[in-house]
Amino acid sequence: EVVLTQSPDFQSVTPKERVTITCRASQNIGSSLHWYQQKPDQSPKLLFKYASQSFSGVPSRFRGSGSGTEFTLTINSLEAEDAATYYCHQSYSFPWTFGQGTKVEIK
Amino acid sequence: EEQLVESGGGLVQPGGSLRLSCAASGFTFSINAMNWVRQAPGKGLEWISYISSSSATIYYADSVKGRVTISRDNAKDSLDLQMNSLRDEDTAVYYCVRGRDWYFDLWGRGTLVTVSS
Repeated sequence: EVVLTQSPDFQSVTPKERVTITCRASQNIGSSLHWYQQKPDQSPKLLFKYASQSFSGVPSRFRGSGSGTEFTLTINSLEAEDAATYYCHQSYSFPWTFGQGTKVEIK
Repeated sequence: EEQLVESGGGLVQPGGSLRLSCAASGFTFSINAMNWVRQAPGKGLEWISYISSSSATIYYADSVKGRVTISRDNAKDSLDLQMNSLRDEDTAVYYCVRGRDWYFDLWGRGTLVTVSS
């Protein structure tokens, strides 16, 4: 099973700051890594597919990067609406797995 | 509008059974793989089952294997999850999720399953 480890678990950030979330895979998964955003009391939403391909409607301040075992989600100039928990997900092999999540709070 | 609507959640005793359903609308259901993903209260996301568009390929997470059965009816645009021998740790919101090229691009709002005596 591919284990995904996100860091940090929690981040408290002021608006306009940059946020960087890392997702590390326990083995090489190529670019089969996707990012989701889940706001409180909402379903998750896809942000990026295959590490760096943004999904429809995702603001340009979000950026996904990485390959192999290390991946990064960057939010440039954080806005209040970005308060959420962010999850990475691998589809390299079954069972598909998620990272534990990174909660981003707005100061 | 593309939409997935889950139903069937509720309170069930340990050892009991429950059947979750998901109604799809606004897109061609029959050409898409589908999944169930769950989220225990205050916890992260856990993928639990995948079914291909034709039902030819099915996968389960080890945590539910042997206790749940995923199925679909392409004529009715519906997805089901039969859950048996339920345990306390199965308490979660269960999301119906569309799979596209191995990522999850459309999620339902979820249905809450509570396993408790």
